[in-house]
Amino acid sequence: NAGVTQTPKFQVLKTGQSMTLQCAQDMNHEYMSWYRQDPGMGLRLIHYSVGAGITDQGEVPNGYNVSRSTTEDFPLRLLSAAPSQTSVYFCASSTPDRINYGYTFGSGTRLTVV
Amino acid sequence: GQNIDQPTEMTATEGAIVQINCTYQTSGFNGLFWYQQHAGEAPTFLSYNVLDGLEEKGRFSSFLSRSKGYSYLLLKELQMKDSASYLCAVNSGGYQKVTFGIGTKLQVIP
Repeated sequence: NAGVTQTPKFQVLKTGQSMTLQCAQDMNHEYMSWYRQDPGMGLRLIHYSVGAGITDQGEVPNGYNVSRSTTEDFPLRLLSAAPSQTSVYFCASSTPDRINYGYTFGSGTRLTVV
Repeated sequence: GQNIDQPTEMTATEGAIVQINCTYQTSGFNGLFWYQQHAGEAPTFLSYNVLDGLEEKGRFSSFLSRSKGYSYLLLKELQMKDSASYLCAVNSGGYQKVTFGIGTKLQVIP
């Protein structure tokens, strides 16, 4: 079991460029989500999915798109990178049974937009 | 709105006990998470409290009082490896309604 795998681990983008952050899980979790973590702020939800073909917006969705074509994969797309999107991005997954297991987070993608 | 407060930093001595507090004001409440996050790493799940009272898991215990909007994480027999940030998060609705605090950075000193 690899758990939640995120790629790449580090990325530098120029303003205006687009890219896709990859997230894959092998635990057959129904729920997946993307968070960003910034200094002095808690983790903030960007987008989430409760199953294949179903996605919805979180707290800070602007500038990001997601899709969920399979249970395993949940990529996050930055449409036109801005310096405000410099952050650490975490993908997380869970089953509905969060009491015992909570969310499983990937190791993160550290993105810098210059 | 959602508001979660926890101390920014704490320092404790190896072998001692430390209590990390978390207060919350949310519209709705389903449960409260505690996560541990070492510097440069992903958060890892510690506990999820739904009902009032204390739940113990080895050296870590988590307490919840829903009427007071209050929780704490208790770490016993502190070890150097416990130096990390501890994140409090409240689930106030559906899956997406999980609000994280900024985290408490705990430093364990010899």
